[in-house]
Amino acid sequence: DAKTTQPNSMESNEEEPVHLPCNHSTISGTDYIHWYRQLPSQGPEYVIHGLTSNVNNRMASLAIAEDRKSSTLILHRATLRDAAVYYCILLMEYGNKLVFGAGTILRVKS
Amino acid sequence: GAGVSQSPRYKVTKRGQDVALRCDPISGHVSLYWYRQALGQGPEFLTYFNYEAQQDKSGLPNDRFSAERPEGSISTLTIQRTEQRDSAMYRCASSSSYGYRTEAFFGQGTRLTVV
Repeated sequence: DAKTTQPNSMESNEEEPVHLPCNHSTISGTDYIHWYRQLPSQGPEYVIHGLTSNVNNRMASLAIAEDRKSSTLILHRATLRDAAVYYCILLMEYGNKLVFGAGTILRVKS
Repeated sequence: GAGVSQSPRYKVTKRGQDVALRCDPISGHVSLYWYRQALGQGPEFLTYFNYEAQQDKSGLPNDRFSAERPEGSISTLTIQRTEQRDSAMYRCASSSSYGYRTEAFFGQGTRLTVV
């Protein structure tokens, strides 16, 4: 399985944008990029996913590099509620198995 | 309810006892997954089902762990002869289709403590 690399932790100020990076240099052409987050004492929660093009939804945006070797999850205006562990996960086409790494702990300061 | 439901929410058991953890996925969801999560760690994959077929059980730690989903809906994760190292949060998730193209919904988990 292709692996992802994320920073251990990041800090952001409330109301400011946050860019969470993920490196996946061994990604294959059919690997989908998924992001989940886990708030304290909660189960993981889906955020967004994409293949090649940038994606937007109500929660976040996903920017995928042209060579697909990296991606960035963008939270447009961080709130205290966005403090969580963010996981970048690769899923192969027809794959079902979410493999969670260590993720990035995002701290949001008021 | 509309979400993934797990029961019991908390389970304390004595070492050597068998436990059964139940997962009730979102109605109509094809895929069902089991994860285990230790404190401060990310979820660890155990196994998953498409309908009633167990597609991958590579994450089950040893043969004391087993899972079934006989009618393609509710699933049970069974741990036989529990050991203290089995203490963890056990999470279930379901998705409407193949995981790569859709989102998985997670339940609140069952906190298992083996004493």
